[in-house]
Formats: sequence, structure tokens, C-alpha cells
Amino acid sequence: NAGVTQTPKFRILKIGQSMTLQCTQDMNHNYMYWYRQDPGMGLKLIYYSVGAGITDKGEVPNGYNVSRSTTEDFPLRLELAAPSQTSVYFCASSEAGTGPYEQYFGPGTRLTVT
Amino acid sequence: DAKTTQPTSMDCAEGRAANLPCNHSTISGNEYVYWYRQIHSQGPQYIIHGLKNNETNEMASLIITEDRKSSTLILPHATLRDTAVYYCIVRGRAGNMLTFGGGTRLMVKP
Repeated sequence: NAGVTQTPKFRILKIGQSMTLQCTQDMNHNYMYWYRQDPGMGLKLIYYSVGAGITDKGEVPNGYNVSRSTTEDFPLRLELAAPSQTSVYFCASSEAGTGPYEQYFGPGTRLTVT
Repeated sequence: DAKTTQPTSMDCAEGRAANLPCNHSTISGNEYVYWYRQIHSQGPQYIIHGLKNNETNEMASLIITEDRKSSTLILPHATLRDTAVYYCIVRGRAGNMLTFGGGTRLMVKP
């Protein structure tokens, strides 16, 4: 299994541009998540999904959009990039259910907005 | 979810045990203690979790006090590759969102 994969690894955007960060998992996990990590800080949850067609906001959703049309994919969309969105973005997935399941993280996308 | 408090940084000699403490005095009865680590800006990696009893796996041991207000992650024989930021997280059984604080930056030295 490849686990959780993210593309691209690095990206530089100009202010006002848009882009989509891709995330794919091959573990058949129902739950998927997007986090961002600013320099020297912990991760903050942006959006999450409990299954195809179901998404919900996390702690810092402003400026982002998500969709979940398949179990495998959970793309994150930035519509109007701002310098405050310069960060490292991590996608994660976990099994569904009521158990204390661990989250599996991807390698991250490093985004710079200038 | 309960809040956690960890030291900002710690050092450990290679080959020795690394003991990382975590306070979670407001933890409630159905909340688990999780440990993740992040090596040099990679994605966080799950280490271990527990509810009441002490737990051990191939990576580490987790010691939870009887009142559950604190815990200690033990890496029995730290190596240079264990240098990372270690996050202690408390969350409920049904919830799946992880709240990451600042973590403890562990430096393993030769």
C-alpha cells in the first residue's frame, strides 16, 4: 500500500491565484482530513470528511473548500490565495467507527504565497 | 477534548531511555491519550495510545497515572532517528479530530 499520497510536494502561488491540493489514500478509509502547519506550530484542522459526499469544517476553514466524490480522494481547493495561507498542508485518513483509530498522514505539500 | 501540557524541549543521550511527560489534568473518563511524533517536517506518525492501562508496542511504552491526569511516553533505547517533535493528544472515543499543541522537541545526542 502507498498509504496517503499528496501532490504537489511544493508550490509557489501569487496572491489571488487558485490551486487544488490533491490527496489520495489506498487504505479504504472512510475518514479523511486536511491540516495546516505554520512554522514552529502544531497542526490545525481545516476540513474533514466522514465518507464520500460528506464534509465538515474544522478549526480553520476560511479560504478553503473541499469535496469528497470518492472514498479515495479528498482534494483541498484554495480559491484566492493569500500570504496567510503560506503553510505546510497535511492530508490524513483513518478508519471509521467508534474505535480509537490512528490517523495516517501524507508527506505534506509546502505552499508559499507571495 | 482535554488540553495537554508538555515541556517545550528535552535532550536524551543515544542508547538511553527517553521519558516524555504530559499533563492532562482535565481529561474525562472516555478520553484516550495518544502520542504522535513528527520527524523533520514529515507528516506526523502515530506511536501509541491508551485509556487507563499502561501500553507497550514495538515503538514505545505509555505509562498513565492511576488518576489519569498525566502520562509518560517512554522510548526505551533512544536513537538519533528518534529526534523529533512528540505530541501528546487527548480525545474522545467517538471523535476523530486531533488537536495538536506545541509538543516536545526531543533531541537525541550521541
